[in-house]
Amino acid sequence: AQSVTQLDSQVPVFEEAPVELRCNYSSSVSVYLFWYVQYPNQGLQLLLKYLSGSTLVKGINGFEAEFNKSQTSFHLRKPSVHISDTAEYFCAVMDSSYKLIFGSGTRLLVRP
Amino acid sequence: EAEVAQSPRYKITEKSQAVAFWCDPISGHATLYWYRQILGQGPELLVQFQDESVVDDSQLPKDRFSAERLKGVDSTLKIQPAELGDSAMYLCASSPSGQGWDNEQFFGPGTRLTVL
Repeated sequence: AQSVTQLDSQVPVFEEAPVELRCNYSSSVSVYLFWYVQYPNQGLQLLLKYLSGSTLVKGINGFEAEFNKSQTSFHLRKPSVHISDTAEYFCAVMDSSYKLIFGSGTRLLVRP
Repeated sequence: EAEVAQSPRYKITEKSQAVAFWCDPISGHATLYWYRQILGQGPELLVQFQDESVVDDSQLPKDRFSAERLKGVDSTLKIQPAELGDSAMYLCASSPSGQGWDNEQFFGPGTRLTVL
């Protein structure tokens, strides 16, 4: 069965600093990966997705992620974060029946 | 911009009571999903509808949970009786279809349930 591991439950960072949120997946078949953001008391919003092609994927709000097949990773990065980026971030993999399997989430806390 | 609507946004109930949540997907979306998100965890799929038919309810606790989408548009998720462990955020999502790797799911704001 496919699964997703987000190693960090919380990542504190200062405003304008770079950030990386880690995601590792387990899959024996073709991989389709997603990052979602959830602001407090709101639903999930798609940040970016990897389906095929270039391993560097650019998303909304200045985020990008790199698919690394050899390391089974799909880490999310942003070169300079803002206070408004404070939120919960979820990595997800789509299984063979097109169902999303989510990780446990990483809370990004941006401090001034 | 079209959005998934959910109500109520917050619900507090006592254990053994019945609760119901409503979801109105984006117009024209054939597939509707109900997820449960326990605090500190990622969303977990409870049930998936394709039009009015259930295509996946393998994780739905059927002894107390029920879901329907009678006309293939809006949907209701019910819990009866509610238990303390049901306290969670219940998210609804919709997508144009249930097939394809590029089938993006759009999420509603959720209903936060607290069972006392």
